[in-house]
Amino acid sequence: GEDVEQSLFLSVREGDSSVINCTYTDSSSTYLYWYKQEPGAGLQLLTYIFSNMDMKQDQRLTVLLNKKDKHLSLRIADTQTGDSAIYFCAESINSGGGADGLTFGKGTHLIIQP
Amino acid sequence: DSGVTQTPKHLITATGQRVTLRCSPRSGDLSVYWYQQSLDQGLQFLIQYYNGEERAKGNILERFSAQQFPDLHSELNLSSLELGDSALYFCASSPPARGLEQYFGPGTRLTVT
Repeated sequence: GEDVEQSLFLSVREGDSSVINCTYTDSSSTYLYWYKQEPGAGLQLLTYIFSNMDMKQDQRLTVLLNKKDKHLSLRIADTQTGDSAIYFCAESINSGGGADGLTFGKGTHLIIQP
Repeated sequence: DSGVTQTPKHLITATGQRVTLRCSPRSGDLSVYWYQQSLDQGLQFLIQYYNGEERAKGNILERFSAQQFPDLHSELNLSSLELGDSALYFCASSPPARGLEQYFGPGTRLTVT
């Protein structure tokens, strides 16, 4: 079955890089996602990667995938106070024609220190 | 703003009651997904509809049901409510050409007293 694990908290200094880690268990063809949730808000899709890719970069965000270890990470360069949020890792199986429901981790609270 | 709308924003009701949550997907999106977010269970996928048809089922209780109408809006019906059903309920939609991208609405906060 699917299971997604991530640590609950990460504290970084403003201006440093943040690296949020996630492990997943499903070995089927899969898509892996990062979502951001700010207090009182819905989930914002940040980026996603297919399991046959190693890396994806989008401005300050870099996603790295280690398929052998089933490990996914999200790196946020030059972390700002506006990056303070809960970051969710999620996994989906593509059963053909689009993604099925996502399996989410518990979320990592990113805390920014001035 | 993702373009997905959900009503109401907040709902307070008593145990044993029935409520209906409504979702309007982004313009052009055919898929609608429902999720429940609670402190103890985290974010859980409930059910997916595609162009009016049920497509996939997750951890949806038998007391819960959903449907998607011809205009593509969706409703999630929760009945015989229990205290443990108190949660945030999110709707997400995805476009037919990029079905991998799910865009979430702001959620409906349900409180059962």
